Amino acid sequence: GDSVTQMEGPVTLSEEAFLTINCTYTATGYPSLFWYVQYPGEGLQLLLKATKADDKGSNKGFEATYRKETTSFHLEKGSVQVSDSAVYFCALSDPNQAGTALIFGKGTTLSVSS
Amino acid sequence: NAGVTQTPKFQVLKTGQSMTLQCAQDMNHEYMSWYRQDPGMGLRLIHYSVGAGITDQGEVPNGYNVSRSTTEDFPLRLLSAAPSQTSVYFCASSSLLRNTEAFFGQGTRLTVV
Repeated sequence: GDSVTQMEGPVTLSEEAFLTINCTYTATGYPSLFWYVQYPGEGLQLLLKATKADDKGSNKGFEATYRKETTSFHLEKGSVQVSDSAVYFCALSDPNQAGTALIFGKGTTLSVSS
Repeated sequence: NAGVTQTPKFQVLKTGQSMTLQCAQDMNHEYMSWYRQDPGMGLRLIHYSVGAGITDQGEVPNGYNVSRSTTEDFPLRLLSAAPSQTSVYFCASSSLLRNTEAFFGQGTRLTVV
């Protein structure tokens, strides 16, 4: 079945450092790909998404590019802030099936210190 | 602009007790789902619904029941709580349009002792 693999955390960075969180997927067909973020004590919220190969999703300085050839959707940010400390989840869904549930990776905890 | 509302936020149960976790959304979304979040496991789908009167099982449905009598509400019932059900539970909703965003509630932290 479909699955998502994320790099293990936690990731600890200093403010203004470059961030990469790796995400690869296994799926039949061409899934839609998402990054969700969970701030402490809160639910998940959508950070960015991409729906077809070579699409780049971006939001709040974060970017991820849908790479079909490597089945990857790595999350990057050029300069992280303390406020970016959170858990990040990579996820996919089948766009050909309405209402399909998201399949999540295990999450990567990011801690940014000043 | 409430979005997805879950109650309660915290709950402690004794083994064998039953309870219902409430979930309501005000966005007229057809699709609603329940996940549990456990350390090192990510989010795993328990049950989902594509509309009123329609429910189906996800990856980890055992020990849980759901119903969908209205578009707005999707309660999750634990019939006889077990320590293995200690987790954080999230309800989510979305439209049935392709590639749309899922909206999550703030979660219910359940401890079964």
